[in-house]
Amino acid sequence: AQSVSQHNHHVILSEAASLELGCNYSYGGTVNLFWYVQYPGQHLQLLLKYFSGDPLVKGIKGFEAEFIKSKFSFNLRKPSVQWSDTAEYFCAVNAGFTGGFKTIFGAGTRLFVKA
Amino acid sequence: EAQVTQNPRYLITVTGKKLTVTCSQNMNHEYMSWYRQDPGLGLRQIYYSMNVEVTDKGDVPEGYKVSRKEKRNFPLILESPSPNQTSLYFCASSLSHTDGYTFGSGTRLTVV
Repeated sequence: AQSVSQHNHHVILSEAASLELGCNYSYGGTVNLFWYVQYPGQHLQLLLKYFSGDPLVKGIKGFEAEFIKSKFSFNLRKPSVQWSDTAEYFCAVNAGFTGGFKTIFGAGTRLFVKA
Repeated sequence: EAQVTQNPRYLITVTGKKLTVTCSQNMNHEYMSWYRQDPGLGLRQIYYSMNVEVTDKGDVPEGYKVSRKEKRNFPLILESPSPNQTSLYFCASSLSHTDGYTFGSGTRLTVV
C-alpha cells in the first residue's frame, strides 16, 4: 500500500531563512505528487503538483518542489520564508489506476516562522 | 465562484443519532472525497468517488456511508456516530486524479 512520510513534524525558522520540508513516499510506480498548505483555522490549499515532465515544480507563493524518483522524494523548498508562511504543510501522493486512484496524505509538518 | 461547500461547519451530537454532512461542488469535477483530520495523523481518506454511482473505500471507512447520486453532491452519513468519530472533516473535489483537490471549509464534529 502506498504511504507518505514527512520527517519533520515541527519546524521553527526565522524570517528570511531558507526552508526545506522532506517528503518520501513508498509507491514504486508512476505517481502524482502534491503539496498543500493549511493556514491556521483554514482548509487545505494546493501549493503545487507534479504529474510528469520537469521534476522541479514551481508553485504559488514562491514555493517549489523537486521530484527525485530514485529517492522516492518530493521535498518542498522556499529560499526565504516570511512570517505569513506559518502554517501546516502536507505532502500527498496519488498512484493513479494501480493505487486505486486514492490520494494519501502525510501527517503534516507544522512550520512556525519567527518575525 | 468555484468552490466546495460543506454544511454544517460545526456540529455537536449524541452517540447513536444519525447525521449527514452535505458536500456540494460547482466545478463539474469528477472526483470527490471525504477526509478526516486528527492531530498528528494528518488527513485520512474515508471514501472517495470517481463519478456518479462510483464510490470506493478509503483507509478509514468504518462507521461511514456515502452516496453519489448526482455529480455535484457527495454527502457523508454517520448512521450511528460514536465518540471516536469526533474529528474535523473535509470534503474535496478534483477534475481528475492528476489535479489537486479543492477543499471545503471543513466540518468540526463532536460526538458526546
